[in-house]
Amino acid sequence: AQSVTQPDIHITVSEGASLELRCNYSYGATPYLFWYVQSPGQGLQLLLKYFSGDTLVQGIKGFEAEFKRSQSSFNLRKPSVHWSDAAEYFCAVGKREYGNKLVFGAGTILRVKS
Amino acid sequence: ETGVTQTPRHLVMGMTNKKSLKCEQHLGHNAMYWYKQSAKKPLELMFVYNFKEQTENNSVPSRFSPECPNSSHLFLHLHTLQPEDSALYLCASSLGRIISPSSGANVLTFGAGSRLTVL
Repeated sequence: AQSVTQPDIHITVSEGASLELRCNYSYGATPYLFWYVQSPGQGLQLLLKYFSGDTLVQGIKGFEAEFKRSQSSFNLRKPSVHWSDAAEYFCAVGKREYGNKLVFGAGTILRVKS
Repeated sequence: ETGVTQTPRHLVMGMTNKKSLKCEQHLGHNAMYWYKQSAKKPLELMFVYNFKEQTENNSVPSRFSPECPNSSHLFLHLHTLQPEDSALYLCASSLGRIISPSSGANVLTFGAGSRLTVL
């Protein structure tokens, strides 16, 4: 069965420090990969997506993610975190034949300390 | 404003009540979705509608009854719910149901959610 694992439930980083949020998937052939962010009281906003091609993907708000097929991973990174990045981050996986039936990870809550 | 509006934002109901959640999208999308977000659990897809027709029911209990009168509106009718149904219910929409890898089209756009508490 398809699954998405985000190993870290909570992460705390200092403002200005670098960030990496982990995502591993079990999905057979190369899937479509997404990162969404959810601020408190808000819905999910798409940060970036990967379908094929260049394995390093740039997104909004200075985020990037790298697809590593050998590790079945799609980790999200940001070189310098801002206090406004505090939110919950979700990795999601899909496949064309499944339409828009994305499988989401359980989320990672990011706290930023000043 | 994401273009997907959900009302009410908060709802408290007893187990014998009947209430409805509403979702409206102003994006010209043709597919709409209900997701359930419970604490400490991944988002669960509940229903999918494409051009007003239900294309997916993810084994959702019948106490949840969706309705999609047109491509812009989606409702979730609630009756005789259980306390474990308390969650954030997220509506989403997309232009089509199949993700297009060439253009990135049909990616989901989410609303802010309706926080439901069942007493």
